[in-house]
Amino acid sequence: RKEVEQDPGPFNVPEGATVAFNCTYSNSASQSFFWYRQDCRKEPKLLMSVYSSGNEDGRFTAQLNRASQYISLLIRDSKLSDSATYLCVVLDISNFGNEKLTFGTGTRLTIIP
Amino acid sequence: DVKVTQSSRYLVKRTGEKVFLECVQDMDHENMFWYRQDPGLGLRLIYFSYDVKMKEKGDIPEGYSVSREKKERFSLILESASTNQTSMYLCASSFERGQVGGELFFGEGSRLTVL
Repeated sequence: RKEVEQDPGPFNVPEGATVAFNCTYSNSASQSFFWYRQDCRKEPKLLMSVYSSGNEDGRFTAQLNRASQYISLLIRDSKLSDSATYLCVVLDISNFGNEKLTFGTGTRLTIIP
Repeated sequence: DVKVTQSSRYLVKRTGEKVFLECVQDMDHENMFWYRQDPGLGLRLIYFSYDVKMKEKGDIPEGYSVSREKKERFSLILESASTNQTSMYLCASSFERGQVGGELFFGEGSRLTVL
């Protein structure tokens, strides 16, 4: 099983619709979680951190479900500019304090006019 | 504005050549990282550095080395390029010690093709 797993998509969604996708992780002790966004042929950029209580930033909502070991990203009222690949990122910290970030392979989202 | 600059966007090299990929950040960040990104494999950490002249192996260091002589500059070196090193290379930096604690800022990437 991959450490961090995402549905690669593509998700083709009409403008204005709501879309959600999940990311599963294998280590139940993982510490922190993030969503990064990567536009075509561009570098990844932090979209949002994912907090235990869930968090919202405008049209974007991130949730963490520790029991089932997944995080989710919900995008409401989708815009053409939301078209991108969304990378799930998981932080693990070992007993020795070593940090390890694991990136998912990304979910590709295309918003259709 | 935060800026991580990679020296070359596109490179084509021949098998066996020595390749230098340069990365400079202007944010006075402590930490710098080199990743490679391949379809279906995600970003994989090659090397990282938490301080000048300090380096640590990531998940896939074989075939690579790094140099950090100045705080703002982190170089990735392929001593003898091979075709399986054809990839997109991404440099990143962050302020707080460790890969997170703070946001990772990436450069635009260097797409290397080894023939």
